[in-house]
Amino acid sequence: QKEVEQNSGPLSVPEGAIASLNCTYSDRVSQSFFWYRQYSGKSPELIMSIYSNGDKEDGRFTAQLNKASQYVSLLIRDSQPSDSATYLCAVIRNNDMRFGAGTRLTVKP
Amino acid sequence: GAVVSQHPSWVICKSGTSVKIECRSLDFQATTMFWYRQFPKQSLMLMATSNEGSKATYEQGVEKDKFLINHASLTLSTLTVTSAHPEDSSFYICSARANRGRDAFFGQGTRLTVV
Repeated sequence: QKEVEQNSGPLSVPEGAIASLNCTYSDRVSQSFFWYRQYSGKSPELIMSIYSNGDKEDGRFTAQLNKASQYVSLLIRDSQPSDSATYLCAVIRNNDMRFGAGTRLTVKP
Repeated sequence: GAVVSQHPSWVICKSGTSVKIECRSLDFQATTMFWYRQFPKQSLMLMATSNEGSKATYEQGVEKDKFLINHASLTLSTLTVTSAHPEDSSFYICSARANRGRDAFFGQGTRLTVV
C-alpha cells in the first residue's frame, strides 16, 4: 500500500461547479496534511494545510480531515479554468514529507 | 506564504561533471529542508530530509555519495549531484519548513539536463 494515495484522474468539472479531491494515507501517526497545486513545469504551491479533524475553509477552498478514516479531502467551490492543474496531497510523518501521485483537474469553460 | 529561493532554475551540464543546487529560505529559518526529484508526468519523489546542523536522511535507493546534501545554516541547503549522468536529468525541487507542525514551502525548482 502506498503511503499517500490519490485518484490520478483526470477529473473534469464545468466552470462554476464544485471539484472534490480525495486522499488517503496509510500511517496513523501522520501529523500534518497539505494540499498543493502544481502547474505543468512549475514547482508546487501551497493551497491549504490542516492539522486537526474537521473542516478548514479558505476562500473557495475547504480542506477536510478525518484521522479515524485516514482521509483528507479538498473541495474547490466555483471552479475556474485557472484552477486546472495537478493537485498534490502531502503528509508529514516523523519529520519527513511525502506526496501522493497527484490528481489532474481540468475545469472546462 | 514564505519565500524559498532555489538556484539555478535550470542547468545543462556534461556527463561526468558535478552540479550544485542551492535552496535558501529568505524570510524564515528553515530547520528542515526536503529535496525532491520529479520526472515528467510523475509525482514528487522524496530524496532526502535534512535538518540544520545534522546529516541528511536519505530515502532508500538514493545514493548519498552521489547526491550530497549540506544544510549548514538555517537559511541554506545545497544539493550537489556528483558525476552526473543523463539519467540524472530531472526536475529537482527543495522545500523548507520552519519547525514541526508548520507549513512547508517550495523553491522554484531546478531543471537539470545532463548531456
